[in-house]
Amino acid sequence: DAMVIQNPRYQVTQFGKPVTLSCSQTLNHNVMYWYQQKSSQAPKLLFHYYDKDFNNEADTPDNFQSRRPNTSFCFLDIRSPGLGDAAMYLCATSLPSGGRSEKLFFGSGTQLSVL
Amino acid sequence: GDSVTQMEGPVTLSEEAFLTINCTYTATGYPSLFWYVQYPGEGLQLLLKATKADDKGSNKGFEATYRKETTSFHLEKGSVQVSDSAVYFCALSSPGGFKTIFGAGTRLFVKA
Repeated sequence: DAMVIQNPRYQVTQFGKPVTLSCSQTLNHNVMYWYQQKSSQAPKLLFHYYDKDFNNEADTPDNFQSRRPNTSFCFLDIRSPGLGDAAMYLCATSLPSGGRSEKLFFGSGTQLSVL
Repeated sequence: GDSVTQMEGPVTLSEEAFLTINCTYTATGYPSLFWYVQYPGEGLQLLLKATKADDKGSNKGFEATYRKETTSFHLEKGSVQVSDSAVYFCALSSPGGFKTIFGAGTRLFVKA
């Protein structure tokens, strides 16, 4: 089945130690997103790629970076994780229609803990 | 900017009860509206959507009607089941961009 896959499911890192989260998709969708979801809060968009075009949200900290080497893969790099970066990180894809995203397809998420 | 406001939870119901989860939005133009559901330990998945005023989205017994006059998209189900226990997110997507804005989510518990 076509899907969005995130690895690992759980990631533990140390304060200040760089960490990379991975996302792959078999849907061949143009747009890939990274959301941060903290407990009992709305998913917060960090950035998205439309093909190779990177779009950063204005309030996304510089500590968060992303790479999309090809259509299928997208990575989230946290350069120096702080305790406040502990969260669920959700990858999503979409195939835009009519100039907007009509449906997002989500992975199961990576739960990041920072010790 | 665009935003979504939904009722706070948790909502606790007995099986076969009627469910309403309120959602209102603020947006310029004519957004598409969505309800997503998140089961424990999983990512979000689309439950239903509506793309223009007065459209009704429906799926798995859930319904929501796009009300432009009240800027609302309330989720309803006539008879909930234990398996409906999850977190429900209202969301919107505006034209001219590829961002989906989510509400804070409403946790639903259904008791047998």
